[in-house]
Amino acid sequence: EPEVTQTPSHQVTQMGQEVILRCVPISNHLYFYWYRQILGQKVEFLVSFYNNEISEKSEIFDDQFSVERPDGSNFTLKIRSTKLEDSAMYFCASSENSNTEAFFGQGTRLTVV
Amino acid sequence: AQTVTQSQPEMSVQEAETVTLSCTYDTSESDYYLFWYKQPPSRQMILVIRQEAYKQQNATENRFSVNFQKAAKSFSLKISDSQLGDAAMYFCAYRSGRGAQKLVFGQGTRLTINP
Repeated sequence: EPEVTQTPSHQVTQMGQEVILRCVPISNHLYFYWYRQILGQKVEFLVSFYNNEISEKSEIFDDQFSVERPDGSNFTLKIRSTKLEDSAMYFCASSENSNTEAFFGQGTRLTVV
Repeated sequence: AQTVTQSQPEMSVQEAETVTLSCTYDTSESDYYLFWYKQPPSRQMILVIRQEAYKQQNATENRFSVNFQKAAKSFSLKISDSQLGDAAMYFCAYRSGRGAQKLVFGQGTRLTINP
């Protein structure tokens, strides 16, 4: 069964460093998303991406964050200068279209020290 | 803005018994989708069941079913014949039907299955 894959599963980075989280969405899906979950809290929407541009973003998704689809298969989330409060589980998701359910990857645990 | 509320931070049930997880939501829209996602200790988010607001019939997936009360803005999940593998965090989520794709999640309910 097709699935969304994320790498790495765990990333430790020093405060102020740039980090790139990688995702391979399901191949025939057109909509891509990033969510985050701070430990013990609910899952929060960050950004959605369609047709090579951001279609919606939340207040959390400030200038520190950017997304890119550098080739036909990868979808990346970059955090330019990480802060301690960026420590969270980051989930990538994809959906076939805007009306179908999103399938999530297994997440990347980001720890900023 | 839409909000989703899960009022039960934790629930427990005996194996083979039935448990119901509650979810309420607030929206002014008439066209939307509701979901239940399961998050086991592995932390992956797994879709359990989906309900379209325009459908009156409650969605069912094997041992999982929902009680969708549109007027009351309630969307509870019933798990029948609970199994040890059902132990997880369960998140209720809302998505607008008007082209916005983001999911709005509730706070989650941690379900424990007692053998």
